[in-house]
Amino acid sequence: QEHLVESGGTLVKPGGALRLSCAASGFRFSDFYMSWIRQAPGKGLEWIAYISSGGTSVKYADSVKGRFTVSRDNAQNSLFLQMNSLRVDDTATYFCARDTVGMDVWGKGTTVIVSS
Amino acid sequence: EIRMTQSPATLSVSPGESATLSCRASESVANNLAWYQQKPGQSPRLMIYGVSARASGVPVRFSGSGSGTEFTLTISSVQSEDFAVYYCQQYNNRPPWTFGQGTKVEVK
Repeated sequence: QEHLVESGGTLVKPGGALRLSCAASGFRFSDFYMSWIRQAPGKGLEWIAYISSGGTSVKYADSVKGRFTVSRDNAQNSLFLQMNSLRVDDTATYFCARDTVGMDVWGKGTTVIVSS
Repeated sequence: EIRMTQSPATLSVSPGESATLSCRASESVANNLAWYQQKPGQSPRLMIYGVSARASGVPVRFSGSGSGTEFTLTISSVQSEDFAVYYCQQYNNRPPWTFGQGTKVEVK
């Protein structure tokens, strides 16, 4: 059974940095593109980053471009999101998802709170 | 960036009634359109992809239609477990992928 588990969310001060992880199991991770999506409290879904199966192609939403970096380790079945220069409006639950035709497998999310 | 607009924001229906949710794209997304269901405290669940294909385990009462810029999700007979927020999402060509703002289906 396909499974994604995010971790690394915590309280961080504005301007700080954080690295989120997403552990995959139950499928051949290296075959699939992956995305990060976030959801601010009480708000809708916002796609923020995407990485190809081999890690050679990445795309970002304008809201995070230049601050966030997506990467993956296929040997470890893991996806990462390095978040720098965090802002209060980055406060959200961050989900990783398997990106196929739509996003067919989601983790439960990890919460990032940016506050002084 | 392609903008996705959903209507209505809230849809009040009685159990057993049908529900029709709309999603409009600011430009054509061909058939690269998905629908998700999200319940409070849960992650989204893929319901429909490719405009009309049901994801694994999705009941047949859920159906999707449309093309180009206008899309519809229909729930033919709403069950208690269907009350949730529904999002459309386009994944046409290359990112950025974009979501609609969501439609909440609530009990009338």
